[in-house]
Amino acid sequence: GAGVSQSPSNKVTEKGKDVELRCDPISGHTALYWYRQSLGQGLEFLIYFQGNSAPDKSGLPSDRFSAERTGGSVSTLTIQRTQQEDSAVYLCASSLAHGGGDGELFFGEGSRLTVL
Amino acid sequence: AQKITQTQPGMFVQEKEAVTLDCTYDTSDPSYGLFWYKQPSSGEMIFLIYQGSYDQQNATEGRYSLNFQKARKSANLVISASQLGDSAMYFCAMRERVRTGANSKLTFGKGITLSVRP
Repeated sequence: GAGVSQSPSNKVTEKGKDVELRCDPISGHTALYWYRQSLGQGLEFLIYFQGNSAPDKSGLPSDRFSAERTGGSVSTLTIQRTQQEDSAVYLCASSLAHGGGDGELFFGEGSRLTVL
Repeated sequence: AQKITQTQPGMFVQEKEAVTLDCTYDTSDPSYGLFWYKQPSSGEMIFLIYQGSYDQQNATEGRYSLNFQKARKSANLVISASQLGDSAMYFCAMRERVRTGANSKLTFGKGITLSVRP
């Protein structure tokens, strides 16, 4: 596709349920990032994938959060046993390889998660 | 310590005037890159400008310029001739270890809200 595609755009779930958020990056982009943005706040880094390297999971807030990237393309962020504080917009971004340093991130429109 | 600091709570500027949005950063890495993104009320993240730590000149992109003061670790965004469409949230971000390529996530600041008055 032309841009980063995320689904679902909106998800309402009950506390304790598991949710999966999907990200389809721009074709050819080897780097993929997940961020979380609470209402009116900045972007909180969650996880970063680069090619075949081990992902940087340093931003995942708890072991309820996990992500995988299959075939170097599509990524799924899974939140288990959701809590109300998980309510936020989850943004996915992709970029070209980071060698030059100036590889800007291209963001999707986000998945808005509401945990009741 | 916070990597990126944006302390201005909200900024107002008159249409057609220039405005400076402040950003300071903290890193011991000699090789890093600095980014500015715009997020309008629609929520999309729009890349504006990039400055590398080794770049000799301040970056410019149309009405956007970056006042990069390396010794002070500041990378302020200057928007000239403000337009109503510039009203948005603005985020400063940093990528460390640019040349080695390792750990190249972007770390974002908390953002600054800019409102342009007609």
